Amino acid sequence: DGGITQSPKYLFRKEGQNVTLSCEQNLNHDAMYWYRQDPGQGLRLIYYSQIVNDFQKGDIAEGYSVSREKKESFPLTVTSAQKNPTAFYLCASSGTGGALGYGYTFGSGTRLTVV
Amino acid sequence: AQKITQTQPGMFVQEKEAVTLDCTYDTSDPSYGLFWYKQPSSGEMIFLIYQGSYDQQNATEGRYSLNFQKARKSANLVISASQLGDSAMYFCAMRGPNSGYALNFGKGTSLLVTP
Repeated sequence: DGGITQSPKYLFRKEGQNVTLSCEQNLNHDAMYWYRQDPGQGLRLIYYSQIVNDFQKGDIAEGYSVSREKKESFPLTVTSAQKNPTAFYLCASSGTGGALGYGYTFGSGTRLTVV
Repeated sequence: AQKITQTQPGMFVQEKEAVTLDCTYDTSDPSYGLFWYKQPSSGEMIFLIYQGSYDQQNATEGRYSLNFQKARKSANLVISASQLGDSAMYFCAMRGPNSGYALNFGKGTSLLVTP
């Protein structure tokens, strides 16, 4: 079955360490996205990519980095520069183009905790 | 820039009653799409309904309908015959050319359905 897989589900990180969150999709979607969600808050866009080897910053990109070397994969690295990284991270993918009705397929999320 | 506003942090509704969740938006895009998502406590994001800015009729999907008032820039979600399983966070979201077709989310409304 086609879908989008995020791993790990739970992640603990020591302060000062970089950590990479995995996101893989087999839906043949061109676009992929990373969002951050804090308790009681909506989803805020970190980075997105509409095509391989290209990506754009979202609203809260500082302290994060991404790569898009393959269509299927869009890993997110939370760097030590991110001051408050404890949050729930959601990855999503979608078709692109002018058809606005393309919805997202979401992964099940990674809950990152800094200890 | 696009902005989504959900003014109801929390709502209560009795089982079998209808409930309206408010959403207003602001955009300079002439063409855009509006979405509603449900997020249970498990964290997964479940797509509910979509409305295109040029759609003449309000979208409906089973017990969900979208009350789209373009001139007022509102896209309220109506849930009819509420069920206990409807208890969750609900997010309104919008996408358009100016956001690179990335979804912008509101802060959400927490809905609790009581027996």
